Amino acid sequence: DGGITQSPKYLFRKEGQNVTLSCEQNLNHDAMYWYRQDPGQGLRLIYYSQIVNDFQKGDIAEGYSVSREKKESFPLTVTSAQKNPTAFYLCASISAGGWNQPQHFGDGTRLSIL
Amino acid sequence: AQKVTQAQTEISVVEKEDVTLDCVYETRDTTYYLFWYKQPPSGELVFLIRRNSFDEQNEISGRYSWNFQKSTSSFNFTITASQVVDSAVYFCALSEPQTGANNLFFGTGTRLTVIP
Repeated sequence: DGGITQSPKYLFRKEGQNVTLSCEQNLNHDAMYWYRQDPGQGLRLIYYSQIVNDFQKGDIAEGYSVSREKKESFPLTVTSAQKNPTAFYLCASISAGGWNQPQHFGDGTRLSIL
Repeated sequence: AQKVTQAQTEISVVEKEDVTLDCVYETRDTTYYLFWYKQPPSGELVFLIRRNSFDEQNEISGRYSWNFQKSTSSFNFTITASQVVDSAVYFCALSEPQTGANNLFFGTGTRLTVIP
């Protein structure tokens, strides 16, 4: 079945360590998104990419980095510069020009600090 | 300024009661889309409905119904005869295609608890 796969489901980060969250989709979607969700808050956009080898900062990009080398993959790196990384991270995708279509979401990765 | 406001942080109802989740949005665009998503305890976001700004017709899908009113910038969601399985966090979201990125602006969510 087509969908979005996020891994790992749970991730722990030590102080000063970079960690990478994986997001893979087999929906042939062009655009992909990373959101952060904190308790009691809605989803906030970290980065998005509309085509391969191109990506844009969202509202809270500081302390994060992404790459889009393949259409299917949009990994998110939480760097040591992100001082409060504990959150639930969701990846989403949508086909190009599908402005009226819903974004498809993965199951999320829960990141915690050791 | 918050583009999507869900003023109800948490709601508890007894099973079989009806419940309405409020959503108020803010946009200057004439073309926009509104969405409702459900987030069960497992964490994934489940798409429930999409509505474009030119279609004010209310919609009913089983026990779910949506009331879109442009005059009050509201897109409220009603669950009739609630069930325990409806317990989740519900998000309202806005998309403004004219920004060119199809980004979704989410409300802070309403946590619905249905008590058996």
